[in-house]
Amino acid sequence: DARVTQTPRHKVTEMGQEVTMRCQPILGHNTVFWYRQTMMQGLELLAYFRNRAPLDDSGMPKDRFSAEMPDATLATLKIQPSEPRDSAVYFCASGLLRSIETQYFGPGTRLLVL
Amino acid sequence: GDSVTQMEGPVTLSEEAFLTINCTYTATGYPSLFWYVQYPGEGLQLLLKATKADDKGSNKGFEATYRKETTSFHLEKGSVQVSDSAVYFCALWGYGQNFVFGPGTRLSVLP
Repeated sequence: DARVTQTPRHKVTEMGQEVTMRCQPILGHNTVFWYRQTMMQGLELLAYFRNRAPLDDSGMPKDRFSAEMPDATLATLKIQPSEPRDSAVYFCASGLLRSIETQYFGPGTRLLVL
Repeated sequence: GDSVTQMEGPVTLSEEAFLTINCTYTATGYPSLFWYVQYPGEGLQLLLKATKADDKGSNKGFEATYRKETTSFHLEKGSVQVSDSAVYFCALWGYGQNFVFGPGTRLSVLP
């Protein structure tokens, strides 16, 4: 049963520290999305990759966030330096271009920045 | 820009009651419309979709019809079960080539 995996599942860190979240998309998928979910803002799209190339990262604060896909099996989202307002659940989702609406979501990384 | 509005929650129903969760959208052109469901502690799962006007999406007893004239995509189910308790998100995929999600509506079904 193929699944999107995310690590870590939970992260508690102090303000100013670097945070790296990792996502392993389902093998063969060629699109990857990063989302942030908070009570106040709901679900926000941060970045979208197609065939490992960043297609849209307009939802991401550029000064502290960065997203990459070093290879087809790994997507990373980094926050440096982290701030308390970054506390949220971060979801990765993968899918296929030909059926882009069928995204498979990972379980999420719950981040708390103190 | 594109946007999605959903009815405020939480919605609490008794088992076997009728469910409606309203969703309206604002978008350029004719977006594709979706309902996603999120169970506690999990990511979102696609529940149903409709890609053009008057299409009806359906899955697991849930239905929604793409109404272009009212820019709506309301979710309905004739008889809810306790296992339907979750958060439901209306979403669109538009010409901007990205997803726009509504704020979510939490549904609690009591036995």
